[in-house]
Amino acid sequence: KAGVTQTPRYLIKTRGQQVTLSCSPISGHRSVSWYQQTPGQGLQFLFEYFSETQRNKGNFPGRFSGRQFSNSRSEMNVSTLELGDSALYLCASSGGLGDEQFFGPGTRLTVL
Amino acid sequence: AQSVTQLDSQVPVFEEAPVELRCNYSSSVSVYLFWYVQYPNQGLQLLLKYLSGSTLVKGINGFEAEFNKSQTSFHLRKPSVHISDTAEYFCAVTTFSGNTGKLIFGQGTTLQVKP
Repeated sequence: KAGVTQTPRYLIKTRGQQVTLSCSPISGHRSVSWYQQTPGQGLQFLFEYFSETQRNKGNFPGRFSGRQFSNSRSEMNVSTLELGDSALYLCASSGGLGDEQFFGPGTRLTVL
Repeated sequence: AQSVTQLDSQVPVFEEAPVELRCNYSSSVSVYLFWYVQYPNQGLQLLLKYLSGSTLVKGINGFEAEFNKSQTSFHLRKPSVHISDTAEYFCAVTTFSGNTGKLIFGQGTTLQVKP
């Protein structure tokens, strides 16, 4: 089974721009979660999608949004980028209650 | 709300020595507990998980952890570490609330294995 894939792996943007990150879950997994990882704040939960519906949301401003498609692929969007949005964005998929989350390699976003 | 505290930010240890990485959690409801490892420039890989049953959980790469409900702890142990165990380790918790899509992570512990 192929693992979780994230594209692109690296991204450089400037302040004020917007960015879209993509995540393809493991085949058959319907839950996709997104996390932001920074040296200062650690790993923080952004949101989770299940069957195209947002099921959980973390404490991030409205500039951070996401969606999930019928094939379970997910995208997250960050608008009006700020320097502090520079981070590793991790996507994880899981198959159900109690199931572990399988993480992708992440997208490294640098905001200049 | 849940929270996770990893008591050590860095743990230096010599190769072949035993190691314990400490994790305490706080929650008003029952939880699932996980330990993940992250190697440089990679995503997270699950080492082990506690859902229910035996409080001693064995994972991959010779790691094990013990769930202690009274002390709200889930410490990770390995009897003999290798250089290749050098990595960042994260303890995480989620609740039984119908889904496990939201993990709350500790700040991480950097394990540095010295030759």
